[in-house]
Formats: sequence, C-alpha cells, structure tokens
Amino acid sequence: QKEVEQNSGPLSVPEGAIASLNCTYSDRGSQSFFWYRQYSGKSPELIMFIYSNGDKEDGRFTAQLNKASQYVSLLIRDSQPSDSATYLCAVTVGSARQLTFGSGTQLTVLP
Amino acid sequence: SAVISQKPSRDICQRGTSLTIQCQVDSQVTMMFWYRQQPGQSLTLIATANQGSEATYESGFVIDKFPISRPNLTFSTLTVSNMSPEDSSIYLCSVVRGGRGTDTQYFGPGTRLTVL
Repeated sequence: QKEVEQNSGPLSVPEGAIASLNCTYSDRGSQSFFWYRQYSGKSPELIMFIYSNGDKEDGRFTAQLNKASQYVSLLIRDSQPSDSATYLCAVTVGSARQLTFGSGTQLTVLP
Repeated sequence: SAVISQKPSRDICQRGTSLTIQCQVDSQVTMMFWYRQQPGQSLTLIATANQGSEATYESGFVIDKFPISRPNLTFSTLTVSNMSPEDSSIYLCSVVRGGRGTDTQYFGPGTRLTVL
C-alpha cells in the first residue's frame, strides 16, 4: 500500500465550479499535511498546509483534514483556467521534516 | 518563503558521465533536501543534506551514486554519477522554513537532466 494516495484523475471541471481533490495516507503518525501546485515544467509551489482536524480556508482554497479517517482534501472554489495544474498532496511523519508525496492529481479547468 | 536557485537549470549528458547540481539559498537554513521527479511521476526524496556531516539517504539511493556536499548553511551540491538514461529526471532541492504556524518546505526551480 502506498503511503500517500491521491484520486487518480485527470479531473476536469468547468470554470466557476468547485474542484475537489482527495488524498489518503497510511501512517497514523503523520503530523502535517501539505498541498502543492505544480504547473507543467515548473517546481512545486506551496498552496496550503494543515495539521489540525477540520477545515482551513485561504481565499478560494479550503483544506480539510480528518485524522480518524486518514483523509485530507483540497477544495478550490470558483475554479479558474489558471488553476489547471497538477496538485500534489504531501505529509510529514512524526517530527521528521521530510515530505512523502502522493502521485498527484492533474486538474483541468475548462473555460 | 525562500529564494532558492539551482544551477544548471537543464543539461543533456552522455551515459557514463557525472553532473553536479548546485543549490543556493538566500539565507541560512538548517535543513536541505534533494528530490527526484522522474517523467510523469511525483517527487521522491533522495537524501537530507546535513551541514557538517554525511547526508542521510533514503532507501534505494546510495552515496556512491548521488554524493552530496553541504559545506555551509546556504549551499549544497548533488552529483549524479555514472549516469544512465534512467537518471533522466528533474532534480529539486528544497529547504524548510518556519514562521507560518508550522515548518513548511519550499522548492528550488529544479534541474532538468536528460541522459542520452
């Protein structure tokens, strides 16, 4: 079983819709959870992090964490074509700072 | 965040040769990491670059193949040795910075390596 799994995608949503990206993790010692956005040919860019159960909102982005279900998600409201990218879920375990990444979900927002 | 630069940005190399990638950070950081991203894949951690001591390698990566130096708190190098086409990847360095409620990791622009 992979340590961090993401819904396979690719995911297409129309402009203005809500895009929902999901991630599950296997290690219950996972402490911090990150969402990165990666445009083609570019390096990953941090969008959000979360480490407490519940929701965390930042502009059009909402991260949701449920440690009991070992599940973290990212919602993008009012999706824009510029949101089209690969979204990477990453976790840290315990006190370690090393990131373990999921395989990524490719999102396309259609104008 | 952090300002991170990498050199070279891309290179095309011949099988059997070695390439050293440099990573420079705009201020001192304790933790630096090197990742590999193979074509169409996600990121895989190669090693943690420790200042003043040997790098710590992840399973599947060895020092003879990927020697790392960390001479100070703003600079690190990764060498890809005796390259084969399977080493064609993007190599990224990253640093950990705090100040946003938790330590967060920021990535350099990457080095795109093609091995012929």
